[in-house]
Amino acid sequence: DAGITQSPRHKVTETGTPVTLRCHQTENHRYMYWYRQDPGHGLRLIHYSYGVKDTDKGEVSDGYSVSRSKTEDFLLTLESATSSQTSVYFCATSFGQNPNTQYFGPGTRLTVL
Amino acid sequence: AQKVTQAQTEISVVEKEDVTLDCVYETRDTTYYLFWYKQPPSGELVFLIRRNSFDEQNEISGRYSWNFQKSTSSFNFTITASQVVDSAVYFCALSESNRGAQKLVFGQGTRLTINP
Repeated sequence: DAGITQSPRHKVTETGTPVTLRCHQTENHRYMYWYRQDPGHGLRLIHYSYGVKDTDKGEVSDGYSVSRSKTEDFLLTLESATSSQTSVYFCATSFGQNPNTQYFGPGTRLTVL
Repeated sequence: AQKVTQAQTEISVVEKEDVTLDCVYETRDTTYYLFWYKQPPSGELVFLIRRNSFDEQNEISGRYSWNFQKSTSSFNFTITASQVVDSAVYFCALSESNRGAQKLVFGQGTRLTINP
């Protein structure tokens, strides 16, 4: 358990509105990740961070941006939400390089109407 | 590109039966890690095991065992004497390293239902 919290846990929003999801960790882990989970796709990586202000794109980054201004927080922003972004979003963290097990937060269920 | 395939979408067995979940992966990396995660009905993701590409020893933890075979690119998971509490979605994942970060590529998951 890496002491990861996500907020909000549930959100319903309308198409075209901006949405920010927050991931907060208390373990001083260097690496943080955002995934989305959709039926039939498992989990897919959106963005990840390898340090403060250092981020990179994952497999499904279009329509998403991230920011990491301090070690403990990793924000995921949907600039203009679309219905295709309805999903469950998971944050994960890991301590260091190999071996590097990721521990996941509880998830945020986002519905875009 | 890396890929993980869990061909079994759903499995249903009766309690106390043994069950094996299949995982086949593709990678060009010589060093990589494989993982299994469990997602119970409550929705959280629980880490079960990590295996690196240099260690082909099978591992057993209680009723759980894992068979890693590099020759067939498989990392299968067996639950012995299954219990209702084992009902969950199980994900196999493969790591891809970039700048020290371990980007995970997940399979589609196998939904396991253990019936009493």
